[in-house]
Amino acid sequence: QVQLVQSGAEAKKPGASVKISCKASGNALTRHYLHWVRQAPGQGLEWMGTIDPTGGSTTYAQNFQGRLAMTRDTSTKSVYIELSSLTFEDTAVYYCARGRDMATILCAFDIWGQGTMVTVSS
Amino acid sequence: DIQMTQSPSTLSASVGDRVTITCRATQTISRWLAWYQQKPGKAPKLLIYGASTLESVVPSRFSGSGSGTEFTLTISSLQPDDFATYYCQQYNSYPGTFGQGTKVEIK
Repeated sequence: QVQLVQSGAEAKKPGASVKISCKASGNALTRHYLHWVRQAPGQGLEWMGTIDPTGGSTTYAQNFQGRLAMTRDTSTKSVYIELSSLTFEDTAVYYCARGRDMATILCAFDIWGQGTMVTVSS
Repeated sequence: DIQMTQSPSTLSASVGDRVTITCRATQTISRWLAWYQQKPGKAPKLLIYGASTLESVVPSRFSGSGSGTEFTLTISSLQPDDFATYYCQQYNSYPGTFGQGTKVEIK
């Protein structure tokens, strides 16, 4: 069964950085883009960006330009997101999600990680 | 950015009811639209993509329609497992914006 498994909850102070991992089982990410979506408590879903797990190219939402980085490790089939200069407004559940269509950046997301809660507090 | 607006924000319905949720885009997105179901504490689940194509293992009581700027998600006969929040998402252009969600509650 294809799965995305994310790292555990994080607690950070304002101004710090957080790095979250998303590990795929089997060939879940072969030729599929991996996206990150976040959800603040009680709020809707916000697309953050995407990475090609094979080539490493990235596209980020304008809202996060300059403080967001997505990387991948092909040997471990893992993708990482690092968000810097955290503020209280970054408190949210962060999801990784697989693009449904092979080699297609813009598509629906068919497999989701379980989510990682990031809490920013002083 | 393309804005997605869902209506209603909350919907109270009973088991067996026919339920319709609307999603409108601020500019045309052809049929590049997906619908997701999310239950509390869980990740979203893909129901429909391409505006009307049912994802595998999704029950046939779910259906989607529309193109351009107006789309609908219909549940033909609401089941207890369907009480959840539903989101539309456009993937016509960056960023892939979501609607604000429609919560389907028990009446």
